Amino acid sequence: EVQLVESGGGLVQPGGSLRLSCSASGFTFSNYAMHWVRQAPGKGLESVSAISSGGGSTYYADSMKGRFTISRDNSKNTLYLQMSSLRVEDTAVYYCVKAVSSGWYSGGDHWGQGTLVTVSS
Amino acid sequence: EIVLTQSPGTLSLSPGERATLSCRASQRVSSSYLAWYQQKPGQAPRLLIHGASSRATAIPDRFSGSGSGTDFTLTISRLEPEDSAVYFCQQCGSSPLTFGGGTKVEIK
Repeated sequence: EVQLVESGGGLVQPGGSLRLSCSASGFTFSNYAMHWVRQAPGKGLESVSAISSGGGSTYYADSMKGRFTISRDNSKNTLYLQMSSLRVEDTAVYYCVKAVSSGWYSGGDHWGQGTLVTVSS
Repeated sequence: EIVLTQSPGTLSLSPGERATLSCRASQRVSSSYLAWYQQKPGQAPRLLIHGASSRATAIPDRFSGSGSGTDFTLTISRLEPEDSAVYFCQQCGSSPLTFGGGTKVEIK
């Protein structure tokens, strides 16, 4: 059974940093691209970042470029999202998502339960 | 940026009825890169359809996807009470990756 367990969320002040982690199990992690998708309270879904199976290709939404860094450790079956210069508008539930394939082009077929990031003073 | 517009905003139907949800793109989307998700309150989204028409694992066959170019459709052939949810489309083929605003399906 595929399991994705996010951690690292919490309350942070504007301008602060957080690192989210996603521990994956139940599939060959190194064979699949991974996504981070977020959802602000009561709002829709927003693609934050994605990384190819080997880690060589990455994607960032424009508003995250230069502030967020996605990475993965295939030896530890773990996905990361380093977030810095956080803004109030980054407040959201952040989901770790397994892609359908090695590239991120086919969407995500398994989602974690999400971790809440709250940016507030 | 490819903007995905979903309609209607809310669909209220009875069990057993057919639901037709639309996702219209502002530019052409390759069918391979169009997905549909279902999200129930308090839960993470669940993949229903990828590649515009391929059902994901364990998704009932009453869910089907169709379309190409700029017009895509999710059809629920016979609504069940548990289909009450918000449905999102997503395109993953062009940067930035974008989601539609969602269609809420209510079961009377």
